[in-house]
This record gives sequence, structure tokens and C-alpha cells, in this order.
Amino acid sequence: SAVISQKPSRDICQRGTSLTIQCQVDSQVTMMFWYRQQPGQSLTLIATANQGSEATYESGFVIDKFPISRPNLTFSTLTVSNMSPEDSSIYLCSVEGVQGLTNIQYFGAGTRLSVL
Amino acid sequence: AQSVAQPEDQVNVAEGNPLTVKCTYSVSGNPYLFWYVQYPNRGLQFLLKYITGDNLVKGSYGFEAEFNKSQTSFHLKKPSALVSDSALYFCAVRDKRGQNFVFGPGTRLSVLP
Repeated sequence: SAVISQKPSRDICQRGTSLTIQCQVDSQVTMMFWYRQQPGQSLTLIATANQGSEATYESGFVIDKFPISRPNLTFSTLTVSNMSPEDSSIYLCSVEGVQGLTNIQYFGAGTRLSVL
Repeated sequence: AQSVAQPEDQVNVAEGNPLTVKCTYSVSGNPYLFWYVQYPNRGLQFLLKYITGDNLVKGSYGFEAEFNKSQTSFHLKKPSALVSDSALYFCAVRDKRGQNFVFGPGTRLSVLP
């Protein structure tokens, strides 16, 4: 299994500012994933971050709004830029690990973001 | 395209009674199916998965799930619920060629003492 640490665990931010969320894994992983969980809803994949290449964004998410860095195999950051109240969500970092015949996803505890 | 449905937003059950959290899926080909649990202020934790083989899968904390191919279902079950099982439960699917997991909308389980 993988141990994932996310910082900050929560933050309250003002409209128009940006927040960078850090994700640290205790082992080297090829792919890291960033999800958004809006209040009362399920997880939506924002992007997949591979080390040494540009992140791959899902439909509805763009790099200007959610820039991602992946400087090495154990670390990634997600920035939520020019925030508005609609960005208030839990942001989750995830990695894949092999268990038996397939991969499963391991998640960090999440960053709970409130935008005023 | 893959999709997952969890028809119940909320499930209430008395402590000690059996519980079922329902999940149905749609995927091309044979699926990989997963259950995750999210406790308050925590990330998602893996409970169990179905890949192949026995339709009844046993997982963490006494949970099990039954894969039913004809009904395209993967319901989560536990014979005797605990108050500490109260949490948000997510079903997820991945097809064997796909990279991404698709999560259901989640079901909030409340176990009443």
C-alpha cells in the first residue's frame, strides 16, 4: 500500500486568490491523480500527472485554472487559480498501487477548500 | 463509456442488522469493480475488489460484495452492522482496457444504535 500526505488539510481563501496543494507519496509511482469532490457529490477526475510530461486534463478542466507540477516520482502539486466560491470542494490526491491481479487507487486525506 | 449507479443516497440500518449498499454498473467487456469507504474528514479507503473468479468477494472490516453479471450489480453487504460503519460508500468501475476509475455518486450509510 501507499501512504499519501496532503497539505494543507483545509484552508479558507478569498475570491481571486490561488492555493497550491501538495501531495507526497512514500514510494515512487508513475501516475498521480487529482480529484475534486464537490459538496455532497462523488469524485471527479481533474487530471493525471505523469513525471516528466504535461498533465492530462479531463473534459471541463484546463491547465490555466488547475496547473499541476510533477517534479519527481513521489511528489505533485495542484494549484487552484483565481478562486471563486464554486471552487469550494475537497481536493484529493491519488496514486495507483498493484494489489494482486490489478491496480487499486490509494487516496490522501484530502484538502478541504472553502472560498469566500 | 463506463458508468456506475448507486440508487440510494442514504441507507439507514439498526446496529446488529445486516446491511446492503447497492451498486449497478455499465461497462464494455468484463469489469473491474471496487468499493471504497470515506469516513468524515478522511480520504477514501479501499474495501474490496472484484477482478475475476468467485462472485462473492470478501474485504476489510467484515464487508463482502457479490458480483452478479446478469444483473450488472455489485452490492456491498455486511451480516451485522456496527455504528462505526457509518460513512460514505463509493462503488467504482474500471474496464480492463481503461486507465481511469469511474466512481458512483456515493451512498451515505447510517447505522443507528
